Amino acid sequence: GQNIDQPTEMTATEGAIVQINCTYQTSGFNGLFWYQQHAGEAPTFLSYNVLDGLEEKGRFSSFLSRSKGYSYLLLKELQMKDSASYLCAVVDSNYQLIWGAGTKLIIKP
Amino acid sequence: DGGITQSPKYLFRKEGQNVTLSCEQNLNHDAMYWYRQDPGQGLRLIYYSQIVNDFQKGDIAEGYSVSREKKESFPLTVTSAQKNPTAFYLCASSIVGTSGGVINEQFFGPGTRLTVL
Repeated sequence: GQNIDQPTEMTATEGAIVQINCTYQTSGFNGLFWYQQHAGEAPTFLSYNVLDGLEEKGRFSSFLSRSKGYSYLLLKELQMKDSASYLCAVVDSNYQLIWGAGTKLIIKP
Repeated sequence: DGGITQSPKYLFRKEGQNVTLSCEQNLNHDAMYWYRQDPGQGLRLIYYSQIVNDFQKGDIAEGYSVSREKKESFPLTVTSAQKNPTAFYLCASSIVGTSGGVINEQFFGPGTRLTVL
């Protein structure tokens, strides 16, 4: 079966750095998305990785290792507004999106 | 402003009633999707459409129906056959990639929270 694993919940301090991991076992791989979702709202796109390595975009970076079936989202200089759920989704060999359950990130002052 | 709208934001229905959730986009996207989100679970695909007058079942299509008569609109009907319809429903759209499948960023509407009483 296809599976995406993320930690259910993480806590971090304002101003700090946090890394949210995502491991996947899917039938094929055609890219990995990270989305941010505030409670009760729509997910919004953060990043897309299809090649190995680190993609940096401001305070957010996303890393991919296809051989390890692993990605992480790195958030720097955390702000209170970063409190949200972070969703990992993989595009499989049929070009279907497989979604993880999301990681709820709690930021404390 | 381009975007996706869903209405209503909150919806209550009695058991045994059908209800239709609206989704409209003005992004000129060919592909549209309906997802269901339950606490502690990932988004699950109900139906998707890549072109007008055509749509495919997703992983959990039973008890749901859709239509795609216009490019801009993709309404979802939750029928009385859906055994556990209380959930948060999200509509999304994207351009269709050259591969013909999902390879492009999906844009989401604000969602409709359906509660069955």
